[in-house]
Amino acid sequence: KAGVTQTPRYLIKTRGQQVTLSCSPISGHRSVSWYQQTPGQGLQFLFEYFSETQRNKGNFPGRFSGRQFSNSRSEMNVSTLELGDSALYLCASRRQGNTGELFFGEGSRLTVL
Amino acid sequence: ELKVEQNPLFLSMQEGKNYTIYCNYSTTSDRLYWYRQDPGKSLESLFVLLSNGAVKQEGRLMASLDTKARLSTLHITAAVHDLSATYFCLDQFYFGTGTSLTVIP
Repeated sequence: KAGVTQTPRYLIKTRGQQVTLSCSPISGHRSVSWYQQTPGQGLQFLFEYFSETQRNKGNFPGRFSGRQFSNSRSEMNVSTLELGDSALYLCASRRQGNTGELFFGEGSRLTVL
Repeated sequence: ELKVEQNPLFLSMQEGKNYTIYCNYSTTSDRLYWYRQDPGKSLESLFVLLSNGAVKQEGRLMASLDTKARLSTLHITAAVHDLSATYFCLDQFYFGTGTSLTVIP
């Protein structure tokens, strides 16, 4: 059974640009959550999508957005990149009605120059 | 404000010793999760604790949950080098600060 797949794994952008990250959840999982991990702030919750709807949201500015498609695949977008957006972005999926356990992808490492 | 606090943040222990990592959370959640992260890697699920009094054990690690005290513990027994990693607890969507564990031979 394939795990959570994130693309791209690594990317470099410059300030002011925008970036789109993709996440394919485990087959049958309908919930996708996104996290930002930095050495200074740790693991911070961005948002959760379920059945194409944003169900929960963390405390991030509007430059961070996401969406989910009918096949449960999700994308997150960061516009007007800042140096502080450099981080590992992790996607996780969970199967509703189950234990609520999150299964994580390998992450997308974003460097903003 | 939702908070999940772990302590200690850093833990250096000798092989063969025992130690406990604490996770305090602020919600009324009845479930809590523990994850492990190796350097440069993603998060690996260790334990899923689904109710008050839940106790799970896997090898040298044992996790427990006290929902009344809003406290979960991760106990390490007779530590070995392979346990060196960062450990996180998760309450709903919010992770703890993490505990970086180094086991010294």
